[in-house]
This record gives sequence, structure tokens and C-alpha cells, in this order.
Amino acid sequence: QKEVEQNSGPLSVPEGAIASLNCTYSDRGSQSFFWYRQYSGKSPELIMFIYSNGDKEDGRFTAQLNKASQYVSLLIRDSQPSDSATYLCAPRANDYKLSFGAGTTVTVRA
Amino acid sequence: NAGVTQTPKFQVLKTGQSMTLQCAQDMNHNSMYWYRQDPGMGLRLIYYSASEGTTDKGEVPNGYNVSRLNKREFSLRLESAAPSQTSVYFCASTGRATGELFFGEGSRLTVL
Repeated sequence: QKEVEQNSGPLSVPEGAIASLNCTYSDRGSQSFFWYRQYSGKSPELIMFIYSNGDKEDGRFTAQLNKASQYVSLLIRDSQPSDSATYLCAPRANDYKLSFGAGTTVTVRA
Repeated sequence: NAGVTQTPKFQVLKTGQSMTLQCAQDMNHNSMYWYRQDPGMGLRLIYYSASEGTTDKGEVPNGYNVSRLNKREFSLRLESAAPSQTSVYFCASTGRATGELFFGEGSRLTVL
């Protein structure tokens, strides 16, 4: 079993819709969780960071964390063409090693 | 602010050649990392350096060596390049506050 599993893509959503991205992880010691966005040919950039169970909202992005189920998700509301990218889930263990999922590619259709 | 700087950005090698990827950060971060990214496989950790003077293997260290030259610089060396090492390489660094990784722009390596 891979350490970090993300829902396979690509995920295609119409403009204005909600994109839902899922991530499960195997290391119960993971303390905090990062969502990175990566545009084609570019480096990853952080969009969300969550460490407590529950929801965290930042603009059109909402991260949801359930440590008991080892599950973290990212919702993108009112999706825009500029949201078209690959989204990487990255749990962090205590030793600051981040393991990345394979990513989910999102395409927002205008 | 330069952030994390990687050189070179592009490189083509022949099988068996050696090369070093350079990485420098100006954010006074303690920890530095080298990842490789292949299509459909996400980012895989090659080596990391939790602090100056230490280095540790990641998920895919075979065929690579690293040097933490000082707090700013962390280099990745391929002693005898193989076609399987064709990839995009990212250097990253982090401070201790959140563990957020800051990435360089990437180095695209092709081994023929």
C-alpha cells in the first residue's frame, strides 16, 4: 500500500462547480497535512495547511481532516479556469519528511 | 527574494556521465530536500538534510549522493547517469515553524 493515495484523475468540472479531492494516508504518526498546487511545468506551491481535525477554510478552498479515518480532503468552490492544475496531498510526520501523493489533475471547463 | 535557486535548469547527459545539481536557499532554513518527479508518480524523496552536517536517505536514494555544503547549499550528484534517472528534480527547504516546503523551479534532466 502506498503511503499516500489520492483519487485518480483527471477530474473535469464545469466553471463555477465544486471540485472535490480526496487523500488517504497510512502513517498514523502524521501530524499535519499540506495541499500543494502545481501548474504544468512549474514547481509546487502551498495552498492549504491543516493540523486539527475538522474543516479549515481559506477563500474558495476548504480542507477537511479526519485523523481517525486517516483522510484529508480539499474542496474548491466556484471553480475557475485558473484552478486547472495538479493538486498534491502531503502528510508530514514528526521528522519533517513530507511524503507526496501522485496528485490529482483538475481541469475546469469554461 | 530569490528563495530556492537550482542550477542548471536543463541538462542532457549520456549514460555513464556524471553531474551535480546545485541548490541554494536564502531563507535561513535548517532542512533541505531533493525530490524527483516522474509522470504519474508524484514527488519522491531522494535525500534530505534535516540540519547542517546531516544527510539521510529518502525513498529512492540509489544512484545518487548528496552534500550539505553549508546551511545554504545542498547538492545532488549523479556519479554514473542512467536513463532511469531522466526526470525533473526539485530542491526544497523548510524552516521549523510549519514544515511548509519551499521549492526551487526544478531541473529537467535527460539521460540518453
